[in-house]
Amino acid sequence: QKEVEQNSGPLSVPEGAIASLNCTYSDRGSQSFFWYRQYSGKSPELIMFIYSNGDKEDGRFTAQLNKASQYVSLLIRDSQPSDSATYLCAVTSNTGKLIFGQGTTLQVKP
Amino acid sequence: SQTIHQWPATLVQPVGSPLSLECTVEGTSNPNLYWYRQAAGRGLQLLFYSVGIGQISSEVPQNLSASRPQDRQFILSSKKLLLSDSGFYLCAWGVGGKDSPLHFGNGTRLTVT
Repeated sequence: QKEVEQNSGPLSVPEGAIASLNCTYSDRGSQSFFWYRQYSGKSPELIMFIYSNGDKEDGRFTAQLNKASQYVSLLIRDSQPSDSATYLCAVTSNTGKLIFGQGTTLQVKP
Repeated sequence: SQTIHQWPATLVQPVGSPLSLECTVEGTSNPNLYWYRQAAGRGLQLLFYSVGIGQISSEVPQNLSASRPQDRQFILSSKKLLLSDSGFYLCAWGVGGKDSPLHFGNGTRLTVT
């Protein structure tokens, strides 16, 4: 089992819809969870982080964490074509290192 | 504010040639520094990390090496490149601690021919 798993996609949503990106992790002791966005040919950029169970909202983005289910998700409301990118989930391991998932490619169609 | 510089942006090198990629961070002291590689269509693979000058931890045994000669400088090297070394190399920094995200440089796209 991979330490951090994401569906590679592509996930295709129409413009204006909610995009839901999911991530599961294997280390029950993980404490910190991050979402990065990576445009094609570019480096990852941090868009959200969450440490506590529940939801965290930042503009159109909402991160959701369920530690009991070892599940973290990212919701993007009112999706725009500019949101089309690969979204990387990252989890802090018990050694303090950041472990990345393979990423989910999101396509927002006008 | 903190910034991270990484160069060159692209590099085409023949098999067997040496490699040197450099990364510097500004605006912070004693950062944790990282080298990641991303193969085409793949996730990020941690290659090396450093918590201080001269302190290098290797995650994946291979023909690459890393050095940290100064507090905010991190160098990735190879004596002889292999075809399998092609990829997108990313330098990142963090302040350390379990709550600390990483911040990435713009990356170097290396093609070994």
